[in-house]
Amino acid sequence: QKEVEQNSGPLSVPEGAIASLNCTYSDRGSQSFFWYRQYSGKSPELIMSIYSNGDKEDGRFTAQLNKASQYVSLLIRDSQPSDSATYLCAVIPSSGSARQLTFGSGTQLTVLP
Amino acid sequence: DGGITQSPKYLFRKEGQNVTLSCEQNLNHDAMYWYRQDPGQGLRLIYYSQIVNDFQKGDIAEGYSVSREKKESFPLTVTSAQKNPTAFYLCASSRQQYGYTFGSGTRLTVV
Repeated sequence: QKEVEQNSGPLSVPEGAIASLNCTYSDRGSQSFFWYRQYSGKSPELIMSIYSNGDKEDGRFTAQLNKASQYVSLLIRDSQPSDSATYLCAVIPSSGSARQLTFGSGTQLTVLP
Repeated sequence: DGGITQSPKYLFRKEGQNVTLSCEQNLNHDAMYWYRQDPGQGLRLIYYSQIVNDFQKGDIAEGYSVSREKKESFPLTVTSAQKNPTAFYLCASSRQQYGYTFGSGTRLTVV
């Protein structure tokens, strides 16, 4: 079982719709969760972080965390073509002594004009 | 402005040659990391360092080496022992339990 799993997609949504991206993780003790956006050929950019159960909103982005079910999701409201990118879910697991992130393989999102 | 600088942006390696990728940060972060990304794949951890003069192997360290002589610098050497080095290499740094800040990456190609 992969430590962090995402649907690889591609996920296509029309402009103005809500895009929903999901991620599950295997380490129940994980405490820190992140969403990165990566445009083709570029490096990942941190867009959301969440540490406690519930929702966290930042502009058009909402991160949702459910530790009991071990999933974290990212909602993008009013999706724009500029949101087309690969979205990486990342988790800091409870195991080990370092703060290394474990990444999912990413979900490719396309927003259609 | 604070950030992470990776150089070069593009690098070409001949068979049997060692090459070094540079990573410098001025964010005053303690921890630094090297990841490899292959097309359509996620990020895989090569090496990481939490403090100066100390570093640990990640999941795919074979064929790579690093040093951490200064807090700001964490260079990665891709040795001839790495048989399939063509990839996108990303350096990152972090503070405590916060997310990483990534450099712009180095794209390495074997010629």
